[in-house]
Amino acid sequence: KNQVEQSPQSLIILEGKNCTLQCNYTVSPFSNLRWYKQDTGRGPVSLTIMTFSENTKSNGRYTATLDADTKQSSLHITASQLSDSASYICVVGSGGSYIPTFGRGTSLIVHP
Amino acid sequence: GAVVSQHPSRVICKSGTSVKIECRSLDFQATTMFWYRQFPKKSLMLMATSNEGSKATYEQGVEKDKFLINHASLTLSTLTVTSAHPEDSSFYICSASGSGNQPQHFGDGTRLSIL
Repeated sequence: KNQVEQSPQSLIILEGKNCTLQCNYTVSPFSNLRWYKQDTGRGPVSLTIMTFSENTKSNGRYTATLDADTKQSSLHITASQLSDSASYICVVGSGGSYIPTFGRGTSLIVHP
Repeated sequence: GAVVSQHPSRVICKSGTSVKIECRSLDFQATTMFWYRQFPKKSLMLMATSNEGSKATYEQGVEKDKFLINHASLTLSTLTVTSAHPEDSSFYICSASGSGNQPQHFGDGTRLSIL
């Protein structure tokens, strides 16, 4: 069964600090992995998209890594800002289905 | 980047009313559209998937007569919540993707409140 596990479930950090969110998956065959940011009351917004051959992708202060061998991905946020407070969702696409598998998300709170 | 427009953003109506939510892909052809429901502080729950011109595929436990989905064109899908009741109150989000296994682009959601 395709699964995506995210950790931690929630995280509280101080403004300006860095943090790393984890995503482990068992989706097969693997097609792509995406990280989304969802602000409260809004739809998810894509941060990064990586395919099998890519092991890192940056989008401003967001850097995602992918290890296809261990089936792990991380999202690193540098110099966090209050606006980074949101839910971060890891989504893995499968070559065998057009329906991707969603993680349950990590809720990040950045305090001043 | 790709844009998906969802309308309306907020609906408040009386119990028994039917509510239609529109999802449009503005700058690409959406072969597949997805409808999700999200409860507060919970993850997105897939309700149904629709391909243009075909009947929607509903997830287990989702009533197809309650949640009518129409994907009549490559840029528009609609979700109609029929005879809505307070337990249907939720945040509904659509997403769209192009052909193949293209990534999904999400709408901004519709907050439905049934009184």
